[in-house]
Amino acid sequence: EADIYQTPRYLVIGTGKKITLECSQTMGHDKMYWYQQDPGMELHLIHYSYGVNSTEKGDLSSESTVSRIRTEHFPLTLESARPSHTSQYLCASSESTSGRVDNEQFFGPGTRLTVL
Amino acid sequence: GEDVEQSLFLSVREGDSSVINCTYTDSSSTYLYWYKQEPGAGLQLLTYIFSNMDMKQDQRLTVLLNKKDKHLSLRIADTQTGDSAIYFCAERLGWANNLFFGTGTRLTVIP
Repeated sequence: EADIYQTPRYLVIGTGKKITLECSQTMGHDKMYWYQQDPGMELHLIHYSYGVNSTEKGDLSSESTVSRIRTEHFPLTLESARPSHTSQYLCASSESTSGRVDNEQFFGPGTRLTVL
Repeated sequence: GEDVEQSLFLSVREGDSSVINCTYTDSSSTYLYWYKQEPGAGLQLLTYIFSNMDMKQDQRLTVLLNKKDKHLSLRIADTQTGDSAIYFCAERLGWANNLFFGTGTRLTVIP
C-alpha cells in the first residue's frame, strides 16, 4: 500500500490568493513529481525532484513553484492564484534507482483546486 | 517530443472483454505502463511491460506490445463494473525515471 498523502483534497479560493498544496510520502523515495490533470483527463508533468534541494521543471510550463527541503515533503506553491490554475494536482513519488525494473510511481489522491 | 495517444472513451457490457489502445512516437521507450484512475483518486499502477517483450498476461489483464508499430494495448477479460475508470498508458524513455502519460481512456462498463 502506497503511503503518499496530499492536503487539502479540495480547495476553492478567490483570485489573487497565495496557496500551498502539500504532498508527503513515508516511503523514503528520493524522486517526487507534481502532475497537473486537466478536466479532459490529460496528465502533464509540471515539476519533479531527484532529492533534497533538487527541483526541476517538467514538460508543461507552470506558474507554480516547488521546494524540497526534506525527503518526505514536496509542497507546491502558487503565489497568486488565477482561474486558469483551476485543475487537479497529483503528487507522486518513486525510488531513485534508474535501473529498477518497474519504476512504479505511487500517486497521492490529488488536490482539486478551483479558483474563482 | 514524446507523444502518447489514446482514445478518450470506451463502453463495454459487463462480462465482455475490453481493449484499450495506445500509440506512442518515441522508439527509445524502455518500459510501458498501464495505470488506472478511479473517480476522485490518484493513479494506480496496473501492469507494465518491458520493451523487448510483446505480450504479458496477469490474471484478467493482457498487455500486447507491437514495437514496430509503436502500439500498446490492454485487454481486460470478463470486464466488471468495478473496472469502470480512466486508464492511462505511459512510457519511460531510456533509463530516466520520468514517465510520459497518454491522454487517458475513460472505460464505462454497462451492467
